[in-house]
Amino acid sequence: DIQMTQSPSTLSASVGDRVTITCRASQSISRWLAWYQQKPGQAPNLLIYDASSLESGVPSRFSGSGSGTDFTLTISCLQPDDFATYYCQQYNSFPVAFGQETTLEIK
Amino acid sequence: QVQLVQSGAEVKKPGASVKVSCRASGYMFTNYAIHWLRQAPGQRLEWMGWINAANGNARYSQKFQGRVTITRDTSSTTAYMELSSLRSEDTAVYYCARDSRAISYYRSGNFLSWFVPWGQGTLVTVSS
Repeated sequence: DIQMTQSPSTLSASVGDRVTITCRASQSISRWLAWYQQKPGQAPNLLIYDASSLESGVPSRFSGSGSGTDFTLTISCLQPDDFATYYCQQYNSFPVAFGQETTLEIK
Repeated sequence: QVQLVQSGAEVKKPGASVKVSCRASGYMFTNYAIHWLRQAPGQRLEWMGWINAANGNARYSQKFQGRVTITRDTSSTTAYMELSSLRSEDTAVYYCARDSRAISYYRSGNFLSWFVPWGQGTLVTVSS
């Protein structure tokens, strides 16, 4: 099975900052990676799919990049609503798998 | 709009079974697979299995094989996940989620994709 490793586990930042979260796969997954945002008490919400495609309705300050084993999610100008938990997910091979989470907190 | 609505929270004793439902609306139910995932406290999201809503074929994660059964009822556009032999480690929020691509997209029948939308989650607590 493919293992997904996210870093950092916690990220402290301020409104207006640019932040980057990384996700590494244990083997190549081409571009078959998604990113989700989750807030307390809510289900995950899709942000990015196919590594860099922005889901409809998601603000353009979110962007994704990468291929193979290394991927990044970048938030270009943090807004108060962005302080949440983020997950990556690979869907290159069975079974799909998630990273362990990155919590974005207010500095 | 596309929506998945899950059944309410459950409290079960160790060794019991739980069955969670997921009612779909806003799209043609038999055109998409439904996945089940869970999120235990302090743990990452875990995929449990999927069901092809068109023909009822299901596939499960090896971790849950033998304990999980996913079914669907096309007349009520509802998918179900039953987990048996519950133990305390099964305490988690269980989610259903729709596959992002129509069943017709896939050649192999392996529904490898991202998930959108998700149900609201169902908390299952296993405690004696």
